[in-house]
Amino acid sequence: DAGVIQSPRHEVTEMGQEVTLRCKPISGHDYLFWYRQTMMRGLELLIYFNNNVPIDDSGMPEDRFSAKMPNASFSTLKIQPSEPRDSAVYFCASSNHVPGTGNQPQHFGDGTRLSIL
Amino acid sequence: QQQVKQSPQSLIVQKGGISIINCAYENTAFDYFPWYQQFPGKGPALLIAIRPDVSEKKEGRFTISFNKSAKQFSLHIMDSQPGDSATYFCAAKLSGGYNKLIFGAGTRLAVHP
Repeated sequence: DAGVIQSPRHEVTEMGQEVTLRCKPISGHDYLFWYRQTMMRGLELLIYFNNNVPIDDSGMPEDRFSAKMPNASFSTLKIQPSEPRDSAVYFCASSNHVPGTGNQPQHFGDGTRLSIL
Repeated sequence: QQQVKQSPQSLIVQKGGISIINCAYENTAFDYFPWYQQFPGKGPALLIAIRPDVSEKKEGRFTISFNKSAKQFSLHIMDSQPGDSATYFCAAKLSGGYNKLIFGAGTRLAVHP
C-alpha cells in the first residue's frame, strides 16, 4: 500500500513568493494532520482535518498560512507571502478511526523541506 | 498542561548498551502514549505505544515503562545497535474526540559501534 505522499520533497523560493505544499493521505484514512519541524521548536501541529473538515487550526502561526482539504485524497498547505522564518520541514500525516478498535497510529509522509531565501 | 516533557535532548550509547529516554506529562486526560522513531530525511514512524492501564509493554528490544501515579513513561532500548541511531519522540493523546497527538521535543540517539 502506498503511504502518505507529499510533494514537492524540496522547495527553495524567494521571500514574498507563494508556496503550496501538497499531501495525499493513505486511502481510507479520515484524519489528516499538517506539522512543521524545526530544530528550535521541534514538531509542531499546525492544523488537522477530520472527514475533510478543519477541526483545529490553532497551531497555524499566522494568517499567511492556510490549509484546505477539498476531498478525502488531497490537501494543501499554502504560505502567502513566504518569509525566511518559514523555512522548515513540513510533514503531512494521516490516520483513521475505527470504533471499537482503539487508537490508530498516525502515518507520516517524508516531508517537504522548505527553504525561503 | 498539554505539554509532554522529554529528556534527554541527546544521548550517546555504546553498541550493546541500554538506551533510556524519559517523558513526563501533567494532563491526566491523556489516554494513549506512542513513541515515534525518525531517521534523517524521513517522517516519524510509530515504534511502540501503550495505554495507561498497562505498566509495561515490550516489543522485541523496545520496552515502554509507564508510571501512572508519577505521570511518567519511558522508552528502553535493550542491546542498542548502530541502526537504532535516530531521533525518538514520545507523544500523548487526549481521551475522547479526535486523534490529536502532543509530541515531546525529541531525543537524538547515537549508538556507537
